[in-house]
Amino acid sequence: GQSLEQPSEVTAVEGAIVQINCTYQTSGFYGLSWYQQHDGGAPTFLSYNALDGLEETGRFSSFLSRSDSYGYLLLQELQMKDSASYFCAGKMDSSYKLIFGSGTRLLVRP
Amino acid sequence: GAVVSQHPSWVICKSGTSVKIECRSLDFQATTMFWYRQFPKQSLMLMATSNEGSKATYEQGVEKDKFLINHASLTLSTLTVTSAHPEDSSFYICSARDPGTDVYGYTFGSGTRLTVV
Repeated sequence: GQSLEQPSEVTAVEGAIVQINCTYQTSGFYGLSWYQQHDGGAPTFLSYNALDGLEETGRFSSFLSRSDSYGYLLLQELQMKDSASYFCAGKMDSSYKLIFGSGTRLLVRP
Repeated sequence: GAVVSQHPSWVICKSGTSVKIECRSLDFQATTMFWYRQFPKQSLMLMATSNEGSKATYEQGVEKDKFLINHASLTLSTLTVTSAHPEDSSFYICSARDPGTDVYGYTFGSGTRLTVV
């Protein structure tokens, strides 16, 4: 089957750097996206990796290794507003549908 | 940027009744929209892919007769929860991809919190 696993919770201090990992199992794989969701809100797109390597967008970076079926989201200079749930999402076939990971709740402490 | 509007934002209905949720792409045409369901503190579970002008594609385990999807235009998809029961209470979210973009950054609606009493 298709599944994407993430740690359930991560806690970090304001100003620090945190990495949220995502491992996936699927027979087909086209790319990995990352979304942020605050409680009660809609998911918002953060980044997408189609190829191996690092993609940087401001304070957020995302990495993908297809050979390891693994990716991560790196958040730098953490701010209190970064406290949210983060989901990796895989594009598993030629359609446009996304399969979401289990999600990671990030708590940023002062 | 792309905007997806979802209504209503919340709804309470009696058990046995039907509820319709609308998802509109406001500034782009979406031939494909997606419907997700999310329980508290859990992930988004893809329910179905809504295709403009054709039948929706449902994920395994999702009852197509219970969750009716209609995508009659390039900017509107609707999800109707028929004969709702308390176990259908959940957060329903739609998303759409702006075909004018190159990256897979889908835009999500604000979600609909359904409570069946």
